[in-house]
Amino acid sequence: DAKTTQPPSMDCAEGRAANLPCNHSTISGNEYVYWYRQIHSQGPQYIIHGLKNNETNEMASLIITEDRKSSTLILPHATLRDTAVYYCIVRVALRGAQKLVFGQGTRLTINP
Amino acid sequence: DTAVSQTPKYLVTQMGNDKSIKCEQNLGHDTMYWYKQDSKKFLKIMFSYNNKELIINETVPNRFSPKSPDKAHLNLHINSLELGDSAVYFCASSRRDRQGDTQYFGPGTRLTVL
Repeated sequence: DAKTTQPPSMDCAEGRAANLPCNHSTISGNEYVYWYRQIHSQGPQYIIHGLKNNETNEMASLIITEDRKSSTLILPHATLRDTAVYYCIVRVALRGAQKLVFGQGTRLTINP
Repeated sequence: DTAVSQTPKYLVTQMGNDKSIKCEQNLGHDTMYWYKQDSKKFLKIMFSYNNKELIINETVPNRFSPKSPDKAHLNLHINSLELGDSAVYFCASSRRDRQGDTQYFGPGTRLTVL
């Protein structure tokens, strides 16, 4: 049911920017793009979300293409603690409750 | 300061038993969820409750019965446990705002059925 495509794994050097791509070519006009991550079997952690405009918070930046068919999550200065599985999710609204459909995500490994 | 808490963290039990997992959130949210993460690490929604009303039920066997005594709690009761029920179960909560719902997850309950 996942409506997104992500690379299964990526590596990034500590201190560098980690850029995680996501393809969501069938996204509808009113659907948001959400990013969550899961660190070693902990509960998923919300990172950021956006609709059309680029977004930034204390954790990351989200760049959404103008046609909204893809996006990139940027961790500006990756640390070892950012090693996790990152999920890009297109929100599916259902009768007032949000149904998050998780795909396989991208396993990001930050190397020292 | 725990936002979404679950008990127990680990649960080991025999096939055929009945067990419950409890979830509590202190975020003031009005929507709560149960997700299941299987051995292949796929996370799938099971149920969602909004203001104690069942909103989402994702073709989960009726051996699974969620119960929401109030907005801050959503418990999961499982009857006649089977081997395939072994998984990590995550509770989550959210509050709808102008930009949608951001879900906050608990630490998970690892259920092992022997």
